[in-house]
Amino acid sequence: GAGVSQSPRYKVAKRGQDVALRCDPISGHVSLFWYQQALGQGPEFLTYFQNEAQLDKSGLPSDRFFAERPEGSVSTLKIQRTQQEDSAVYLCASSLQGAGETQYFGPGTRLLVL
Amino acid sequence: DQQVKQNSPSLSVQEGRISILNCDYTNSMFDYFLWYKKYPAEGPTFLISISSIKDKNEDGRFTVFLNKSAKHLSLHIVPSQPGDSAVYFCAASSENRDDKIIFGKGTRLHILP
Repeated sequence: GAGVSQSPRYKVAKRGQDVALRCDPISGHVSLFWYQQALGQGPEFLTYFQNEAQLDKSGLPSDRFFAERPEGSVSTLKIQRTQQEDSAVYLCASSLQGAGETQYFGPGTRLLVL
Repeated sequence: DQQVKQNSPSLSVQEGRISILNCDYTNSMFDYFLWYKKYPAEGPTFLISISSIKDKNEDGRFTVFLNKSAKHLSLHIVPSQPGDSAVYFCAASSENRDDKIIFGKGTRLHILP
């Protein structure tokens, strides 16, 4: 069956540009997560949805970051007025039920802000 | 303040020998632990997990050991194979399954021919 997919796989943005990253979770998975992974680091939690409800957004680094999952399936992570420090791999994951269960990751979107 | 620590950034092991990857945690509320494997340009892939009611879980060549009193877990791979070369992330979450998973920084494993 299809796994988690993300698009685009690579994104180059000029500083100040807005970007939108898409995640298609595994069909039927209730929970969806966004992570930021900087070079040489582990995935850092950004935000978590259970169906369409955003239950935890404590990891979003600033109000320039916004995520939504309006129909409880596909999710979009939007970064406004990108900065160089936003350059990272953005990983999306989904799990069948809760946040602490095994999560299945997509391939990530590598964002480079120039 | 890292709650999940992988103190070895990299590890090299001869093919056929045992690979041991270590992980320490600080939060005593953690009771579910996972290992993920990551190849370059791919997302992490779930490998094996263990609940705190057990001290060992085995799946083929992979075994995870949990020492709750020491807040330490380890992943053993035996025998190591070239395809095992990857970055391994240790991760942990707490009992109610609604707390997010916290990841370590990862250990890069090189399997030498």
